[in-house]
Amino acid sequence: AQSVAQPEDQVNVAEGNPLTVKCTYSVSGNPYLFWYVQYPNRGLQFLLKYITGDNLVKGSYGFEAEFNKSQTSFHLKKPSALVSDSALYFCAVRPLYSGAGSYQLTFGKGTKLSVIP
Amino acid sequence: GAVVSQHPSWVICKSGTSVKIECRSLDFQATTMFWYRQFPKQSLMLMATSNEGSKATYEQGVEKDKFLINHASLTLSTLTVTSAHPEDSSFYICSDRDFHTDTQYFGPGTRLTVL
Repeated sequence: AQSVAQPEDQVNVAEGNPLTVKCTYSVSGNPYLFWYVQYPNRGLQFLLKYITGDNLVKGSYGFEAEFNKSQTSFHLKKPSALVSDSALYFCAVRPLYSGAGSYQLTFGKGTKLSVIP
Repeated sequence: GAVVSQHPSWVICKSGTSVKIECRSLDFQATTMFWYRQFPKQSLMLMATSNEGSKATYEQGVEKDKFLINHASLTLSTLTVTSAHPEDSSFYICSDRDFHTDTQYFGPGTRLTVL
């Protein structure tokens, strides 16, 4: 069974400072990893994904994530935080090769990011 | 990014009535659609997975007779909450899988309140 851990319920960062939202995962085989962002009373917006290749993945709105196989981590990062980045962030995983049409994602519990002006 | 719409965005209904929520994939064909439920300050709980033209697969603990899912076409899936009760009040989110990019895109969600 696959699982995702987001160890921080909340992350506070000052505007302009770099931010990191942590994620570790467990999955059978190669992982297919995602980050999504959710604003209040809205659905999830896709930020980025990792399949294979370069361990540093660049996504929307200046976000990037670093895949670390040995640490089974996929931390989300941004060099300079904006107040508008304040939202709920979800990490998700599934096996890269899903058999029998099973494409279900397993989500972490989410991390609330607050960027302080 | 890809666009998935949901309608309505919010609905208030009386206990015992049925509510239908539509999920449309606007710019790709979704062979697989997912329905999630989200409680306040919690993560998403997968309710069911549906493939176009076949019956939905429900997660353990989700009543298939209460949460009717229809995936009649590659761009439309519906969730009908039958005989709704206050405990069904929640935020329901659909997700469509883009076959070509193998990525799930989410709708904006539907806030259901049952009085």
